[in-house]
Amino acid sequence: GAVVSQHPSWVICKSGTSVKIECRSLDFQATTMFWYRQFPKQSLMLMATSNEGSKATYEQGVEKDKFLINHASLTLSTLTVTSAHPEDSSFYICSARVASGKGNEQFFGPGTRLTVL
Amino acid sequence: QQQVKQSPQSLIVQKGGISIINCAYENTAFDYFPWYQQFPGKGPALLIAIRPDVSEKKEGRFTISFNKSAKQFSLHIMDSQPGDSATYFCAANPGGGNKLTFGTGTQLKVEL
Repeated sequence: GAVVSQHPSWVICKSGTSVKIECRSLDFQATTMFWYRQFPKQSLMLMATSNEGSKATYEQGVEKDKFLINHASLTLSTLTVTSAHPEDSSFYICSARVASGKGNEQFFGPGTRLTVL
Repeated sequence: QQQVKQSPQSLIVQKGGISIINCAYENTAFDYFPWYQQFPGKGPALLIAIRPDVSEKKEGRFTISFNKSAKQFSLHIMDSQPGDSATYFCAANPGGGNKLTFGTGTQLKVEL
């Protein structure tokens, strides 16, 4: 149980285009989902917290107009990187917190490798 | 005060040996301390977690030791195997809080 999927697993796009990444909790409901980015050999950096049906809360320094987050249902959150540039190339990982029962546990997706040319 | 300091940055252990990774925190509001294992190109996977009401938790070859007064916790991997070679992250979050604060990671290599 507690499986989180991401799609796509990798994407290559041209500079200036937008890319959408999906995060799904497959076997549980997640009231809260998180989006992280990770550079090579570095730790995870929290970008934003999204709660189902409400606006995402962004961490300091993260541009909300560039990284659009939508959490339309208890099993799906999306991250759209708008007008992507090479510096946006990174590994994007989502996680989901179980809606009930397991307290603080977060389960992570497999990540999406974004390369912007 | 939100930081979690992790050491060492990298670690090489012989097969069958014990791998020890340490973390320290400042925020006394933290009350949930998970450890994650991450393989290259994959998302982190929850290994084991502890709350401050116990000083040790063991699951298979993995043990967390927790020292509340010193605000430190550590991961011990017994009988380390080459398949344990990965990056390990400690993390913490406060009671009722959602956000996880991650350590900087430890790259473990288990040699034959």
